[in-house]
Amino acid sequence: GQQLNQSPQSMFIQEGEDVSMNCTSSSIFNTWLWYKQDPGEGPVLLIALYKAGELTSNGRLTAQFGITRKDSFLNISASIPSDVGIYFCAGQGSAGGTSYGKLTFGQGTILTVHP
Amino acid sequence: ETGVTQTPRHLVMGMTNKKSLKCEQHLGHNAMYWYKQSAKKPLELMFVYNFKEQTENNSVPSRFSPECPNSSHLFLHLHTLQPEDSALYLCASSQGGWDTEAFFGQGTRLTVV
Repeated sequence: GQQLNQSPQSMFIQEGEDVSMNCTSSSIFNTWLWYKQDPGEGPVLLIALYKAGELTSNGRLTAQFGITRKDSFLNISASIPSDVGIYFCAGQGSAGGTSYGKLTFGQGTILTVHP
Repeated sequence: ETGVTQTPRHLVMGMTNKKSLKCEQHLGHNAMYWYKQSAKKPLELMFVYNFKEQTENNSVPSRFSPECPNSSHLFLHLHTLQPEDSALYLCASSQGGWDTEAFFGQGTRLTVV
């Protein structure tokens, strides 16, 4: 099946620093989504991307849908302690009917922010 | 509050027990999903229902049995589970069809003893 490679696996940063994480795939995706998960909670949707090259912001978060449709990145600017959590990328592939109604998730990036 | 509610939040069950997880969405969506999240693994899709029809069973063992009586409710019936089935079980919903912008519930933390 389709797989997403998300990196880095973890990040330890100081408050105020910018953060960047990305996802890559060997196959094309039609949709890229970025989620954040706090401990003991379900993932919460941060940003959704639907077009190749699309750049979308949500407050201090910015995400882009790669031109090749095989990658996406998420940037967080001026990090704060509440940014701590696990960030997941997710995508819906274009493999015809096999991708219908399904998301593939990356392994997650664990973000720790030191005050 | 994402509009997707899961109960219970925590569940401990023996290997011979039968229990059910419940999910309800108040978003008017037409698709509902069950995911399994184990430590150090990506979210694993288990089942997909689109317009109440099961469109995906991702090779899930038969000791997990889903039920979708209507587009707002989804159940996961559990019986004779194994300790390795202990995980966070997440329910999600989306508009349906090719729209997979999923909204998740808070999950049920399941421990099998």
